[in-house]
Amino acid sequence: GESVGLHLPTLSVQEGDNSIINCAYSNSASDYFIWYKQESGKGPQFIIDIRSNMDKRQGQRVTVLLNKTVKHLSLQIAATQPGDSAVYFCAETDGTYKYIFGTGTRLKVLA
Amino acid sequence: DTGVSQDPRHKITKRGQNVTFRCDPISEHNRLYWYRQTLGQGPEFLTYFQNEAQLEKSRLLSDRFSAERPKGSFSTLEIQRTEQGDSAMYLCASSLPRTENEQFFGPGTRLTVL
Repeated sequence: GESVGLHLPTLSVQEGDNSIINCAYSNSASDYFIWYKQESGKGPQFIIDIRSNMDKRQGQRVTVLLNKTVKHLSLQIAATQPGDSAVYFCAETDGTYKYIFGTGTRLKVLA
Repeated sequence: DTGVSQDPRHKITKRGQNVTFRCDPISEHNRLYWYRQTLGQGPEFLTYFQNEAQLEKSRLLSDRFSAERPKGSFSTLEIQRTEQGDSAMYLCASSLPRTENEQFFGPGTRLTVL
């Protein structure tokens, strides 16, 4: 079936460096994409979203890039901080209410 | 804290027992979702309510699972005759009516079936 996946299961970055987390999706009908952050023992927390009519969206220290040609989504975190350590999930939806999540990437911030 | 609460946060039960979880969504959200998450995986959709109507159930939701949202506010998820394979985090989320609206997740209920 259609699914969302991630390239890297674990990413380690030095504090202060930029982080890039990637995600590949397979459903060309998906038109809304979301990045969630999940800390241990907690539910997913919304970070940023993007619609398919956009290529880039920026938030506070985070940027999401969408490449519909290759069905690729990325999350960029600027000046990574220890509090950014978590598992990051991308999710997609094709205009329905159902989110399809990938398996997640664990981000480790090294002091 | 997203405003979505779940109770209990942790549940340990023996195989064959029944368990019930509760979710209280954000008050103005009429859409409510249940997901299941196993270790190292992303959440998997289980079921969805719009107000009190259950509009979709995933094939992951076997006949041992039942969910209700009787008054369109809080929801319960019951698992009968629990099996070890039911051990997971059960997440509830809620959202406003538009399909693009962010789903706000609760902290989850961690179920361990011994």
